[in-house]
Amino acid sequence: KAGVTQTPRYLIKTRGQQVTLSCSPISGHRSVSWYQQTPGQGLQFLFEYFSETQRNKGNFPGRFSGRQFSNSRSEMNVSTLELGDSALYLCASSLGAGVYYNEQFFGPGTRLTVL
Amino acid sequence: AQKITQTQPGMFVQEKEAVTLDCTYDTSDQSYGLFWYKQPSSGEMIFLIYQGSYDEQNATEGRYSLNFQKARKSANLVISASQLGDSAMYFCAMREGSGGSNYKLTFGKGTLLTVNP
Repeated sequence: KAGVTQTPRYLIKTRGQQVTLSCSPISGHRSVSWYQQTPGQGLQFLFEYFSETQRNKGNFPGRFSGRQFSNSRSEMNVSTLELGDSALYLCASSLGAGVYYNEQFFGPGTRLTVL
Repeated sequence: AQKITQTQPGMFVQEKEAVTLDCTYDTSDQSYGLFWYKQPSSGEMIFLIYQGSYDEQNATEGRYSLNFQKARKSANLVISASQLGDSAMYFCAMREGSGGSNYKLTFGKGTLLTVNP
């Protein structure tokens, strides 16, 4: 079974631009979560989608948004990029949502650099 | 207060020896799950092991075992017979069961493990 895939793997953008990251979950998984990882803040939860609905949202500004499609693929968008948005963005999929015992399986991440 | 505390920023172990990575957690929920992930330098987070709050036995997965002490709120990862490929960052994480935003995974700061030949 194929794992979680994320595209692109690397991105370089300049301040003020916007970016869209894509995540395809493991086949059969309906929940997709996004995390931002930086050296200073560590791993921080962005949001979770299940059946095309955002279920949870972390403490990030409105410039960070996402969506999920009917095939469970998810996209994350960051508008008006700032230098501090440089990070590794990780996507994770799990079978369901709303339960504490589901393992989350992560993709390889997209490394975003904002210049 | 931090939900997940990993007090060891870095650890060194000799190849073929066992090593314990510490993790303590803070929650008032009765239902929760504890997870350990490995992150090599490539960046991908690899799921290692899971322990549920109601599980009476410690979880084991191959060379990985979780030393779960509920009263102390600790969930230490034990890696037996360390291998050079075990060198990576290790994260302890928790998902609480009270619903809402608590269903997200909350991660510790991580422990960088280096296995020496």
